[in-house]
Amino acid sequence: DVKVTQSSRYLVKRTGEKVFLECVQDMDHENMFWYRQDPGLGLRLIYFSYDVKMKEKGDIPEGYSVSREKKERFSLILESASTNQTSMYLCASSFSFGQAGGIAKNIQYFGAGTRLSVL
Amino acid sequence: AQKITQTQPGMFVQEKEAVTLDCTYDTSDPSYGLFWYKQPSSGEMIFLIYQGSYDQQNATEGRYSLNFQKARKSANLVISASQLGDSAMYFCAMRESGTSGTYKYIFGTGTRLKVLA
Repeated sequence: DVKVTQSSRYLVKRTGEKVFLECVQDMDHENMFWYRQDPGLGLRLIYFSYDVKMKEKGDIPEGYSVSREKKERFSLILESASTNQTSMYLCASSFSFGQAGGIAKNIQYFGAGTRLSVL
Repeated sequence: AQKITQTQPGMFVQEKEAVTLDCTYDTSDPSYGLFWYKQPSSGEMIFLIYQGSYDQQNATEGRYSLNFQKARKSANLVISASQLGDSAMYFCAMRESGTSGTYKYIFGTGTRLKVLA
């Protein structure tokens, strides 16, 4: 079974703190993603990475950065947390085009999510 | 413009009845994929079903089926014989070509389904 593990289920941080959200996958996926989920807005892509040390901005990258030093690990960094970054954060991974065949090549696998509160 | 539209923010269904969750999409990419995910209150997104744009037949996975109408750009999820455990948020998503040979995934805003005993 594919496993995507997010380091924390719940986090409470103070405004201005530097926050690290960690995600690890065990399926040798080349693609990894960070989303935030807010009520009524669905999932919005923050950043994604299609290879080690490679990253691309998603739809809402402002206030966030990412790091991918190893294939299995993708970190989301809030340089200076703000209250409007209180949200549910979801990590996902997937094969890249050509890395797998059939339906498996298309599916994103998600972690359990991290609910972050910034006070 | 919304690329994935789910017009039902919430729905109720009686246990053992069938229910249809609506999803329409918009893309100019000839090769795309459509997904449905289930998110129970625990928060984890669970993959349910996938439909490729070139697939001739509607996808089915157990009690889940995807009613794919390409000309209408709709990909509705049908859950047969609803169970109490089906109560969750359901997201429709689309995969289309992105930059650098990657895929881009777009999610709808979700439909919260409540199954009544």
